Amino acid sequence: NAGVTQTPKFQVLKTGQSMTLQCAQDMNHEYMSWYRQDPGMGLRLIHYSVGAGITDQGEVPNGYNVSRSTTEDFPLRLLSAAPSQTSVYFCASSFRNTEAFFGQGTRLTVV
Amino acid sequence: RKEVEQDPGPFNVPEGATVAFNCTYSNSASQSFFWYRQDCRKEPKLLMSVYSSGNEDGRFTAQLNRASQYISLLIRDSKLSDSATYLCVVNMYDKYNQGGKLIFGQGTELSVKP
Repeated sequence: NAGVTQTPKFQVLKTGQSMTLQCAQDMNHEYMSWYRQDPGMGLRLIHYSVGAGITDQGEVPNGYNVSRSTTEDFPLRLLSAAPSQTSVYFCASSFRNTEAFFGQGTRLTVV
Repeated sequence: RKEVEQDPGPFNVPEGATVAFNCTYSNSASQSFFWYRQDCRKEPKLLMSVYSSGNEDGRFTAQLNRASQYISLLIRDSKLSDSATYLCVVNMYDKYNQGGKLIFGQGTELSVKP
């Protein structure tokens, strides 16, 4: 019953460092998305994918890259971390027009 | 204008109260609508989907008004355990003309007091 698995759960980065947040799902969902959540802002869509090899930008894509080489995995790359990227990151997956299932989140602090 | 907007909250209510959350969305082509619940910044979890005919699950009732592009959630007989943030979620069509892009409202915090 893995569902959506995100790693790591916590991370501290220094400004300018790069890192990859991992997301994997085992439900054969075609849709996968990355969101960030900041206090009072709800969840904002960073990038999403409609299937392997197909991605697009969401509401707040700057500073992040994604790729989707398999149905199961959708990693999020921070190219050069900035303090403004301190946030809680959630990965989600779904079938088209259905509910999304979420990972447990990654709490990222950039110092 | 934000694509999905919710009441700002927070709502502080006594146990047993009835509370209503409202949400509006901007894209008239949206097909799927949901209410999610989020506890203490844990991952959001589906509370209920919202159907055109309205739907009820125990103390929870969801309504959709497509003409006004408006969604509501009613909680009757509030319990302490209902304290959480409630998120309105609407699917938006993407450039691939598929409805898988889910956009969240900013959430409304509910605190139920004894």
